[in-house]
Amino acid sequence: EVQLVESGGGSVQPGGSLRLSCAASGFTFSGHWMSWVRQAPGKGLEWVASIKQDGSEKYYVDSVKGRFTISRDNAKNSLYLQMNSLRADDTAVYYCARGSWGPHYWGQGTLVTVSS
Amino acid sequence: DVVMTQSPLSLPVTLGQPASISCRSSQTLVYSDGGTYLNWFQQRPGQSPRRLIYKVSNRDSGVPDRFSGSGSGTDFTLKISRVEAEDVGVYYCMQGTHWPRTFGQGTKVEIK
Repeated sequence: EVQLVESGGGSVQPGGSLRLSCAASGFTFSGHWMSWVRQAPGKGLEWVASIKQDGSEKYYVDSVKGRFTISRDNAKNSLYLQMNSLRADDTAVYYCARGSWGPHYWGQGTLVTVSS
Repeated sequence: DVVMTQSPLSLPVTLGQPASISCRSSQTLVYSDGGTYLNWFQQRPGQSPRRLIYKVSNRDSGVPDRFSGSGSGTDFTLKISRVEAEDVGVYYCMQGTHWPRTFGQGTKVEIK
């Protein structure tokens, strides 16, 4: 059974940093693109970033470029999102998802709240 | 960026009746490999999104056959042949052809 479990969310002040993790199991992690998608409270879905199987290609939505970094450790079956210079509008549930052109499996999400 | 425009944004439906959601993209979603990477997702209240349809018309495993997708180029449709109570939620289209990936605004399906 495919499982994606996010962790690392929490409350942080504007300008602060957080590192999200996603533990994957039930499939060959190194064989799949992986993505982060977020959802602000009461709002729609927004794709954040994707990373290729070997980490050689990474793509970001413009609003997080230069502040967020997606990475992966295939030996640990884990996906990460390093978030720096956080702003209030980064407040959202962050989902880890398998795939890029059409994320098939999704985690339960982890809430990030940016507030003073 | 490719803008995905859904309509309607709210869809009250009677149980057992059909429902249809439109999704239009600002650019063609045909990729260089000939594939069209248009997906539909369902998000029930309090749950994570679930992919229903990929590449326009392919139903994911476990998705009831009352859900169907169609379309081409820039114009796509999700149809529910007979709405059931468990279909309540928000439906999103998403394009996976261009970077950055983009979602539609979402269509809220509720029972009349």
